[in-house]
Amino acid sequence: TQLLEQSPQFLSIQEGENLTVYCNSSSVFSSLQWYRQEPGEGPVLLVTVVTGGEVKKLKRLTFQFGDARKDSSLHITAAQPGDTGLYLCAGRYNFNKFYFGSGTKLNVKP
Amino acid sequence: DSGVTQTPKHLITATGQRVTLRCSPRSGDLSVYWYQQSLDQGLQFLIQYYNGEERAKGNILERFSAQQFPDLHSELNLSSLELGDSALYFCASSVESGSLDTQYFGPGTRLTVL
Repeated sequence: TQLLEQSPQFLSIQEGENLTVYCNSSSVFSSLQWYRQEPGEGPVLLVTVVTGGEVKKLKRLTFQFGDARKDSSLHITAAQPGDTGLYLCAGRYNFNKFYFGSGTKLNVKP
Repeated sequence: DSGVTQTPKHLITATGQRVTLRCSPRSGDLSVYWYQQSLDQGLQFLIQYYNGEERAKGNILERFSAQQFPDLHSELNLSSLELGDSALYFCASSVESGSLDTQYFGPGTRLTVL
């Protein structure tokens, strides 16, 4: 059983569409991070959220941390083929332990 | 390029063998983290070192061990290898160890156990 559940697992959409990826847990995290990973490479950090209810924007990407710090969402507006990749959420738990979600594989078709 | 280097890039070995994976953190980073990524388990946190000392332990098997040396590079030793140990092993580094610390991941070592 994963401590962090990500949904959906796979997403295939057309360029220009909007999408939301969810990351849920029954545990409270001190912080939560979103990463993007391309095949054959290590994950690259997109954002860190710390405060419950926090919203951060990174160009067309909007990240939200739930009020209770147990869940998070990533919303992409007007997706582009360059957004294709594996999106991972990771929660920092019990001070120094990290748990990663199983990932959402996004494919944006031109 | 994250600034974190890992060697080797690929490693093919047989069951029962022992291997050592090496990681050099970014210049100035004191923390090193090891992760295992397999198809069925996703990315699993194994262990963290900070300035030479073990800081946190995740799902690391007893057959695996790690250390961080005075020059801050780290090695992950995997022994009595099993088929199920085949995976991508990532090292990440960060400046310190706080909640807001950004982890920079290396390119990974792909281990294949035959």
